[in-house]
Amino acid sequence: QSVLTQPPSVSGAPGQRVTISCTGSSSNIGAGFDVHWYQQLPGTAPKLLIYGNSNRPSGVPDRFSGSKSGTSASLAITGLQAEDEADYYCQSYDSSLSGYVFGTGTKVTVL
Amino acid sequence: EVQLVESGGGLVKPGGSLRLSCAASGFTFSNAWMSWVRQAPGKGLEWVGRIKSKTDGGTTDYATPVKGRFTISRDDSKNTLYLQMNSLKTEDTAVYYCLNWNDKGGFHYWGQGTLVTVSS
Repeated sequence: QSVLTQPPSVSGAPGQRVTISCTGSSSNIGAGFDVHWYQQLPGTAPKLLIYGNSNRPSGVPDRFSGSKSGTSASLAITGLQAEDEADYYCQSYDSSLSGYVFGTGTKVTVL
Repeated sequence: EVQLVESGGGLVKPGGSLRLSCAASGFTFSNAWMSWVRQAPGKGLEWVGRIKSKTDGGTTDYATPVKGRFTISRDDSKNTLYLQMNSLKTEDTAVYYCLNWNDKGGFHYWGQGTLVTVSS
């Protein structure tokens, strides 16, 4: 029941910039609820990448940045590296569902 | 250091029950809003439900697919979170993670999860 839509996959060459969109609605992102992003490397548990729309936890490289506008949010990865190959999920809160919601997930491939 | 250690997973038949536990440490558990999130094999993340701190009412919220079948509870004296799962279905097969909601937003700490397999 994902209510946040992400592209299934994005790809880029090493050093390039890629962006991942997260589209919601007026009951979640559009209602002003913050968006958070998670990275899941193959075979591991997810890891928080961005919280509060654009904040990086300590240890997360500044190559990762987040933004939010209207009913959507975006995650940008600049200077793409081989170790960035992973699944990425956005997450917010939905007032209609009275609960947290995750995006459909995006697989990033480094060419 | 925050630690969240899930346990109790295993193989159960459709219609059966299972109780998961989560031992928490490294933060003030009694003040935390705790959630369960699951991930089916090869699929995305799905929020299961949450329980607020007793100070904030101790109320629970659940995702539609588990409402009426799953119950979240907490024992603040033991720093432990529980997920009672009844009337299990094959689609409940997943790795289950317990998480604490950070005041700044987001789930900052993830354990390794516990695998629940519902199969005959």
